[in-house]
Formats: sequence, structure tokens, C-alpha cells
Amino acid sequence: KAGVTQTPRYLIKTRGQQVTLSCSPISGHRSVSWYQQTPGQGLQFLFEYFSETQRNKGNFPGRFSGRQFSNSRSEMNVSTLELGDSALYLCASSFLGGRSYNEQFFGPGTRLTVL
Amino acid sequence: KQEVTQIPAALSVPEGENLVLNCSFTDSAIYNLQWFRQDPGKGLTSLLLIQSSQREQTSGRLNASLDKSSGRSTLYIAASQPGDSATYLCALNSGDSNYQLIWGAGTKLIIKP
Repeated sequence: KAGVTQTPRYLIKTRGQQVTLSCSPISGHRSVSWYQQTPGQGLQFLFEYFSETQRNKGNFPGRFSGRQFSNSRSEMNVSTLELGDSALYLCASSFLGGRSYNEQFFGPGTRLTVL
Repeated sequence: KQEVTQIPAALSVPEGENLVLNCSFTDSAIYNLQWFRQDPGKGLTSLLLIQSSQREQTSGRLNASLDKSSGRSTLYIAASQPGDSATYLCALNSGDSNYQLIWGAGTKLIIKP
């Protein structure tokens, strides 16, 4: 069974640009969560999707958005990039997501560098 | 509000030693608790998942325990090896976590050959 995949693995962008990251969950999993990880802030929750619906959103500005498709694949978009958006973006999938007893599995992450 | 703490932030031990990593939480109303491993610059690897009704889980040289009444979980690593060097994070789903994992800051473990 294939694990969680994230593309691309590495990205270099300049300030003001926008970026789209993709996450394909484990087959059969319907929940996809996104996290931002930085050395200073650790892991911070961005949002969680289940069956194409966003169930929760973290404390990030509106420049961060996401969506989930009918096949459970998810994308997140960051517009008007800032230097502080440089981070490792991690995607996690689980069968039902939070408020459940399901294990969450993470992808390898996308390393975004904003110059 | 649920808070998760991992102490110490860093730990260095000689190869072959048995060791214990700690994770404490403030609210015992949890669904589950997971231990993850993260190698530098890499994603998170799930090590063990303990359901709220369980006391412990084992996988190879790893054993995780859960004591909800005291708000503690421990990860026991037997016969440590240099390849165990990584950052270990605990995270949990709780009643008020609203679909997100609540994370500890991690313990950076170094196993000296």
C-alpha cells in the first residue's frame, strides 16, 4: 500500500509569488491535514479536510488556502509569498481524521524556500 | 485547553543503553496518542499509536505506555543504536482539539557510538 505522497518535494519561490502544493493520501483515507513546520514555531496546524469539506482551520492568514478533491487528494495554496512562509509543509492522512481513534500518517513534506 | 510537553528537549546517551522519553498532557480526555520520529529535514514516521483505552503498545525495541490519570506517556527504547538518533515527537487527539493533532515540542535524541 503506497504511503502519503507530496509533490513537489522542494520549491524555491520569490516574495510575492504564489505556490500550490499537492498531497495524495493513502488509498481509502478520507481525511487530509496540513501542517507547517519551522525551527522557531514547531508544527502548526493549517487545516483539515474530510470528504471535500474543511472541518477546521488554524490561525493562519487568508493567504493560506486549501481544497480537497473527490478522490481525497488535497492541495494547499499560498498566495503573495513572504519570507516567513519558508518552511517544511507536511500533509497527513487518516481514515476518519481527528476526534477519532485513527492513526495519522505523514508524507515526506514539501520544503518551500522563499527568497 | 490541552497542552503537551516533552522533557527533556535533548538527550545524549551511549549506544546500547535503554532510555525513556517523556510526554505529558494536561487534559486526560484524549482519543489517542501517537509517537513519531523525525530525521533532520524529513517527514514524520509514525512509531506507535496508543488508543485511550490501552495502557501500552510495543513494536520491536519500542514500547509506549499511557497513563491518562496522571497525564503521561512514555516511549521506552531498548538497546539504543546510533540509527535511533532523531527527534521524537508525541501528539494526541483530544476532545477539544477539533480535528488537529496537539503536539509536543519534541526530544532530540543522540545515540553516541
